[in-house]
Amino acid sequence: QSALTQPASVSGSPGQLITISCTGTSSDVGNYKLVSWYQQHPGKAPKLIISEVNKRPSGISTRFSGSKSGNRASLTISGLQAEDEADYYCCSYAGSNTVVFGGGTKVTVL
Amino acid sequence: QVQLQESGPGLVKPSETLSLTCSVSGGSVSSSFHYWGWIRQAPGKGLQWIGSVYYTGSSYYTPSLKSRVTLSIDTSKNQFSLKLRSVTAADATVYYCARHFYHDRSGPIHAFDIWGQGTMVTVSS
Repeated sequence: QSALTQPASVSGSPGQLITISCTGTSSDVGNYKLVSWYQQHPGKAPKLIISEVNKRPSGISTRFSGSKSGNRASLTISGLQAEDEADYYCCSYAGSNTVVFGGGTKVTVL
Repeated sequence: QVQLQESGPGLVKPSETLSLTCSVSGGSVSSSFHYWGWIRQAPGKGLQWIGSVYYTGSSYYTPSLKSRVTLSIDTSKNQFSLKLRSVTAADATVYYCARHFYHDRSGPIHAFDIWGQGTMVTVSS
């Protein structure tokens, strides 16, 4: 069970749209519609922002959206804001009641 | 609302056993919709799922730690626990407990929707 692959960093200017990729295998991302995304600010616990590929929990901004194609999932942040600067992690169900996280992506707002 | 709080020694000696407990308030660990999980994060590194436990006592682990980890749950105290044996410096990380949303009436979800604040564990003699 290997960690999902995410880019180390992604940056954008305020108001822009950015996309973070999360690449897995046919044993995890590719086989289930059970990808979640987490936002983590420095020194804080992670926060769930997307579940089941594209579902936003209550209270999460509509600027966050998720998608999946094959073994690759994506998180899109539209209308980038300063408060979006954080680390983002994907997570996928990997069968047999196990999950696997991605390595994380640092988002910088220029 | 549901809150989780980790507790346990912040310092463990090499080769000994790390023990942490997560107390749940505002909700019940006996929920049929939720597992209860542990995730860790080394300083400046990514998240690693350790394992999750169900109210029945069934537990699931990440393969790389399975031989050293035991998760348990105490429904009477509304808390669940982690034991990690034979610790080394590599186990010195922040440990989070989290509610693992297992499924709802529509089907499986497998997302961690509520997290504790995390507790740092140091491994040193």
